[in-house]
Amino acid sequence: GEDVEQSLFLSVREGDSSVINCTYTDSSSTYLYWYKQEPGAGLQLLTYIFSNMDMKQDQRLTVLLNKKDKHLSLRIADTQTGDSAIYFCAETNDYKLSFGAGTTVTVRA
Amino acid sequence: DTGVSQNPRHKITKRGQNVTFRCDPISEHNRLYWYRQTLGQGPEFLTYFQNEAQLEKSRLLSDRFSAERPKGSFSTLEIQRTEQGDSAMYLCASSFSEDRVPLFGNGTRLTVT
Repeated sequence: GEDVEQSLFLSVREGDSSVINCTYTDSSSTYLYWYKQEPGAGLQLLTYIFSNMDMKQDQRLTVLLNKKDKHLSLRIADTQTGDSAIYFCAETNDYKLSFGAGTTVTVRA
Repeated sequence: DTGVSQNPRHKITKRGQNVTFRCDPISEHNRLYWYRQTLGQGPEFLTYFQNEAQLEKSRLLSDRFSAERPKGSFSTLEIQRTEQGDSAMYLCASSFSEDRVPLFGNGTRLTVT
């Protein structure tokens, strides 16, 4: 399968911005996603971006895509304690998603 | 609740027993996927259905695993002769074939003792 890599941990102060980074190897990726997983739960879709876009903004979330470098990032503005979770980057070029190992985000007061 | 529903949420079984999980997708979705997630890892693709047809199975899906979607609605995933290595979270997702945006259920956590 194709590789998707993420940093494992991020600690951020409440109210600051969080930036989670992801790199992928499949140059034919057409969709890229960010999912959130809270303890014991399934995956919640946060946002996704088509590969022909550079940026997508949705309320506190901003996704940036650098297709040349195969780099995807998720910025969460005004991070809250409820944002503490594991965030997964994923990509696909058809139906099968390839996921990274997840970034654990811890929000401290 | 119109999201993807999975049952049971948790299953504890002894090694060698058979288990079956059920997934009810979002009703209008024609694609249904199964993924497996082990501790500390991202989900890994197992198989997917377009309506009732199973179109791909991962190499992870050994002969002990079988999935069905008999009427193109709900799906079942059966594991025969469970092994401790089968302990994982089994996630189901569904989507329209056109939008490629899978929505996931809360998963079934399997523990094999």
